[in-house]
Amino acid sequence: GEDVEQSLFLSVREGDSSVINCTYTDSSSTYLYWYKQEPGAGLQLLTYIFSNMDMKQDQRLTVLLNKKDKHLSLRIADTQTGDSAIYFCAESGSARQLTFGSGTQLTVLP
Amino acid sequence: DGGITQSPKYLFRKEGQNVTLSCEQNLNHDAMYWYRQDPGQGLRLIYYSQIVNDFQKGDIAEGYSVSREKKESFPLTVTSAQKNPTAFYLCASSSGLVWGREQYFGPGTRLTVT
Repeated sequence: GEDVEQSLFLSVREGDSSVINCTYTDSSSTYLYWYKQEPGAGLQLLTYIFSNMDMKQDQRLTVLLNKKDKHLSLRIADTQTGDSAIYFCAESGSARQLTFGSGTQLTVLP
Repeated sequence: DGGITQSPKYLFRKEGQNVTLSCEQNLNHDAMYWYRQDPGQGLRLIYYSQIVNDFQKGDIAEGYSVSREKKESFPLTVTSAQKNPTAFYLCASSSGLVWGREQYFGPGTRLTVT
């Protein structure tokens, strides 16, 4: 079946940029999403990109999509302590449902 | 305010008891979903419903049941047949017009079974 992979942990210094990476296997993915989860809370949709785009920018967030390599990344500029959370990549495609990665725990150090 | 509510936030049950988790949305979304989240793991789909009176099993439906009698409500029952019910349960909804469109999540219910 479809698979979405993410690294489990990332630490950055406050003010630096964070880059969270994701790879997926479903070549028929139509939309790819980034969600944020704070401790004990539900998931909050941050942004999404349609598969015919290669970049999307939304304030401090930049999403890059390399469809050939099936690689998605989320860049957070000027990372703040409030950005500390788990970030999930998800894709929709032939499975007709969202497939989530296992999440990347982002820790922002002062 | 439009959104998804789940209640209660924390739930404790004894082994062998069935328990029902509530999920309500006022977003007028057609599709609703239940996920289970375990520590260090992604979300796993339990059940989903695209329309009232219709629902389908997800990847880990065994030991769970759902109903969809109203558009706004999609309760999940964790039965005594579920081997490891302790987990964080998340409900979500989407407009469903394009399958796989962005899903909006509730705050979750943490279920502990002892």
